Amino acid sequence: GENVEQHPSTLSVQEGDSAVIKCTYSDSASNYFPWYKQELGKGPQLIIDIRSNVGEKKDQRIAVTLNKTAKHFSLHITETQPEDSAVYFCAASNPGNQFYFGTGTSLTVIP
Amino acid sequence: SAVISQKPSRDICQRGTSLTIQCQVDSQVTMMFWYRQQPGQSLTLIATANQGSEATYESGFVIDKFPISRPNLTFSTLTVSNMSPEDSSIYLCSVEYSYEQYFGPGTRLTVT
Repeated sequence: GENVEQHPSTLSVQEGDSAVIKCTYSDSASNYFPWYKQELGKGPQLIIDIRSNVGEKKDQRIAVTLNKTAKHFSLHITETQPEDSAVYFCAASNPGNQFYFGTGTSLTVIP
Repeated sequence: SAVISQKPSRDICQRGTSLTIQCQVDSQVTMMFWYRQQPGQSLTLIATANQGSEATYESGFVIDKFPISRPNLTFSTLTVSNMSPEDSSIYLCSVEYSYEQYFGPGTRLTVT
């Protein structure tokens, strides 16, 4: 089965700086890679995703990159704000199959 | 996107009792999932519930402990049976919609 590893487990950045979270996956058949943001006391919220036919996707201050050859994908948050503080999860999936989640990254943005 | 609601949002239960968690989605979906999330941990899939068929359970989870119903394309329930303190966790309902997966707000369960 798929194995998703996520790093770092915790990340602190100054407000306005960039944050990068990285994930690797093992199954070359995986072709869908979503990122979720989970705030305290809430369910995970889908914030951005990328499919294997695309190398990069951007939505305002967040972007995701995918390297299929190396089997890794990353979340980039620019101009971080205190409201970006949350736990972020990556996942890998083959549509129609199970989603495999990373272990999560706790991001703290220091005002 | 799909909007998911769960009831109850939280509960405190006595050891040995059962709790049924409800999940309602605003769109018709084929696949619904139930996850468990221990504090500070990642998401663990309990089972997949497709309408019209028996739920499929992941290793370590059994139907007698976590019976699931899926009566239609917008609703599902998960029962946590004969609870023990080890069942204290957040239980999350999730759906696959347009090849994306969406989560409900979760049910925070504490067993005393």
